Amino acid sequence: AQRVTQPEKLLSVFKGAPVELKCNYSYSGSPELFWYVQYSRQRLQLLLRHISRESIKGFTADLNKGETSFHLKKPFAQEEDSAMYYCALKSGGSNYKLTFGKGTLLTVNP
Amino acid sequence: DAGVIQSPRHEVTEMGQEVTLRCKPISGHDYLFWYRQTMMRGLELLIYFNNNVPIDDSGMPEDRFSAKMPNASFSTLKIQPSEPRDSAVYFCASSLFPGAEAFFGQGTRLTVV
Repeated sequence: AQRVTQPEKLLSVFKGAPVELKCNYSYSGSPELFWYVQYSRQRLQLLLRHISRESIKGFTADLNKGETSFHLKKPFAQEEDSAMYYCALKSGGSNYKLTFGKGTLLTVNP
Repeated sequence: DAGVIQSPRHEVTEMGQEVTLRCKPISGHDYLFWYRQTMMRGLELLIYFNNNVPIDDSGMPEDRFSAKMPNASFSTLKIQPSEPRDSAVYFCASSLFPGAEAFFGQGTRLTVV
């Protein structure tokens, strides 16, 4: 069974500081991982996916299979980054399930 | 396309009443997901459909919950009878294929008193 763990429910940083939102996963197959973001009063939306190896809004995330992690990082946090962040794992095989972690609420203080 | 559309946006009901949540996925999307969001448990997958067929309902908490997808453009999640612990935000999402971006609706905030 797949599992996604986000150990921090709340994370608070100051503007301009680096930020890292942790995500660990448990899955026996080859994982596909995503980060979704939910800004205040907006829909949950895709931020980035590991297969794209892209940087979105200054955020990056690297899949580390050895540590089974997919941490989200940004070198200089901005106030508009304040949001709820969810790490998600897509299972494969015959059951295409998208499993989310419990989320981390990031607050960037001025 | 207006995106995934959910109704109602807010629902307040008394314990024991039947509640029906509705979802219209993005046209052409073959996958539809129902999620429940709570502070304690985060975002939980309840059930998902592929081409209108329920594939995995292992996340449905109990028999009081049921979901249907009578056609490609409509799905319902029903709770009967509702209980206060069902209070949560319920999200519907759809995607084109496995691994594609899942597009979420605005959610239905359910309060059972």
